[in-house]
Amino acid sequence: EVLLVESGGTVVQPGGSLRLSCAASGFTFHDHTMHWVRQAPGKGLEWVSRISWDGSATYYADSVKGRFTISRDNSKNSLYLQMKSVTAEDTALYYCAKDPRLGYLDYWGQGTLVTVSP
Amino acid sequence: SSELTQPPSVSVSPGQTASITCSGDKLGDEYVCWYQQKPGQSPVLVIYQDSKRPSGIPERFSGSNSGNTATLTISGTQAMDEADYYCQAWDSRTEVFGGGTKLTVL
Repeated sequence: EVLLVESGGTVVQPGGSLRLSCAASGFTFHDHTMHWVRQAPGKGLEWVSRISWDGSATYYADSVKGRFTISRDNSKNSLYLQMKSVTAEDTALYYCAKDPRLGYLDYWGQGTLVTVSP
Repeated sequence: SSELTQPPSVSVSPGQTASITCSGDKLGDEYVCWYQQKPGQSPVLVIYQDSKRPSGIPERFSGSNSGNTATLTISGTQAMDEADYYCQAWDSRTEVFGGGTKLTVL
């Protein structure tokens, strides 16, 4: 069974930093592209970032470019999102999702909530 | 693909056919997929590569993509299909989601 379990979400002050993690199991992690997608309260889905199977290629939405960094540790079956200089607009439920290298997200985690508040 | 446009809401009677559109410039040149999201739940992939169904997705879900518009069609809509639906396309660098469509079955 594919499992993606996000963690690290918390309340953080504007301008602060935090790191999200996603623990993967039930599939060959190093064979898959991985993504972060977020959803602000009551809003739609917003793609955040993507990382290739080996970590050599990373891509970001314009809204987070230069502030967020995606990374992975294939030895630990884990995906990460380092967030810095956060603003209220970064408040959202953050999902990790797997992609069989074909541009669609076939499994999603349950999400971890990030709240940016003074 | 820079922007995908979906109608905010679609209503359908039980047993009828629901169609949800997703529009974007030259969208037919890209692969489109669709996700279903019910309240309080994570998104679920229902269509990928324009028209393919993942295992476990009912046959009543189908998709097409041509020109500037992709369409998700739900035939014989059931009450359990009431949810938000999002289209998504990708190019070699980024992904983009449509704004979402709330499907109401009434």
